[in-house]
Amino acid sequence: AQKVTQAQTEISVVEKEDVTLDCVYETRDTTYYLFWYKQPPSGELVFLIRRNSFDEQNEISGRYSWNFQKSTSSFNFTITASQVVDSAVYFCALSEPESGSARQLTFGSGTQLTVLP
Amino acid sequence: EAGVTQSPTHLIKTRGQQVTLRCSPISGHTSVYWYQQALGLGLQFLLWYDEGEERNRGNFPPRFSGRQFPNYSSELNVNALELEDSALYLCASSPSVDYEQYFGPGTRLTVT
Repeated sequence: AQKVTQAQTEISVVEKEDVTLDCVYETRDTTYYLFWYKQPPSGELVFLIRRNSFDEQNEISGRYSWNFQKSTSSFNFTITASQVVDSAVYFCALSEPESGSARQLTFGSGTQLTVLP
Repeated sequence: EAGVTQSPTHLIKTRGQQVTLRCSPISGHTSVYWYQQALGLGLQFLLWYDEGEERNRGNFPPRFSGRQFPNYSSELNVNALELEDSALYLCASSPSVDYEQYFGPGTRLTVT
């Protein structure tokens, strides 16, 4: 079973629309970390946010916001008033330090977001 | 502050050859991670080095190996290249007590 599921393979929106990228994870650990990364066409992964399992506060950073819900094992990412520069592949990732997988990241398959002008 | 750097940017090799990829972490970071991003397979964890030791490796054959030097830079070696090794190889670094990983621009390897 996949540990990190990003069911949306591709999303296309028009500029200024809001868009939510879904991420569902699976773990038996009580302590774990969730991440979002952005991969623009250049290929370099850009760190966006880290959340630990004990902090369920939602976070907002400019046009970006994240909704972490342990009850549904989800860590969704919303971009408000999307812009063309937001076009990229977005990855959700999980780190499970308790289970022996230490600190490496397990990535979802990514969501390709295209923002049209 | 300089980010993670990787060299070379692109590489073309022939099946059966050997290749070495290099990574320099962010200053002060002691952990280095290697990931493979192959078409259709997503991002997969390869190796983790911390303080010069291999701490964990992903589900890859032994012909994928590496090392970390005293200055915390790292090399990834791939022997007996196969066509399916064609991929973007990403290096990331983190401080030893933190979990956020910062990635370099990657090395795109093409095996023909």
